[in-house]
Amino acid sequence: GAGVSQTPSNKVTEKGKYVELRCDPISGHTALYWYRQSLGQGPEFLIYFQGTGAADDSGLPNDRFFAVRPEGSVSTLKIQRTERGDSAVYLCASSSTGVGTDTQYFGPGTRLTVL
Amino acid sequence: EDQVTQSPEALRLQEGESSSLNCSYTVSGLRGLFWYRQDPGKGPEFLFTLYSAGEEKEKERLKATLTKKESFLHITAPKPEDSATYLCAVQASAANSKLTFGKGITLSVRP
Repeated sequence: GAGVSQTPSNKVTEKGKYVELRCDPISGHTALYWYRQSLGQGPEFLIYFQGTGAADDSGLPNDRFFAVRPEGSVSTLKIQRTERGDSAVYLCASSSTGVGTDTQYFGPGTRLTVL
Repeated sequence: EDQVTQSPEALRLQEGESSSLNCSYTVSGLRGLFWYRQDPGKGPEFLFTLYSAGEEKEKERLKATLTKKESFLHITAPKPEDSATYLCAVQASAANSKLTFGKGITLSVRP
């Protein structure tokens, strides 16, 4: 079956611009996660959705970052007024229920470069 | 604050030369410890979940073990295709599902 997909695979933007990154989870998975991975680092948690609602957004670095999942499936991570420090690979993961140690399956990521 | 430290940062092995990767952790109540493999330009690929000290899991040439303070990923007779970055992550009991990752260990296996 299809895994987690993310679009675009690469995004280059200029400082100050707005970007949207999309995640399509595994069909039927109710839990969805966003992580950010900088060069040479492990993934860093941003936000977790259970269905349509954000169950934990404690990892969002500031109010320039926002994520939605309006129908409980596809999610969009939105970054306003991008800064060079936002450059990283943004990873999306999904899991079946989000309960307990439910396995998180990752997508290939979107590489964001802010010039 | 939950912390994961992986060592060494990088490891170069000859094909067939067995070794171990270390993951040390501090967490406020461990719910699970996860190992992932990440190839360049790709997302992490799930390998194992360990739940309690003393537990072991195996998959092909890989075996993961867990104590109260650390986990080891043992690689037996590695092949060049085992070359990748290996990530360790913990999930705390009160974490609401988020994973806390280490920086990863980059393994290179020479033929």
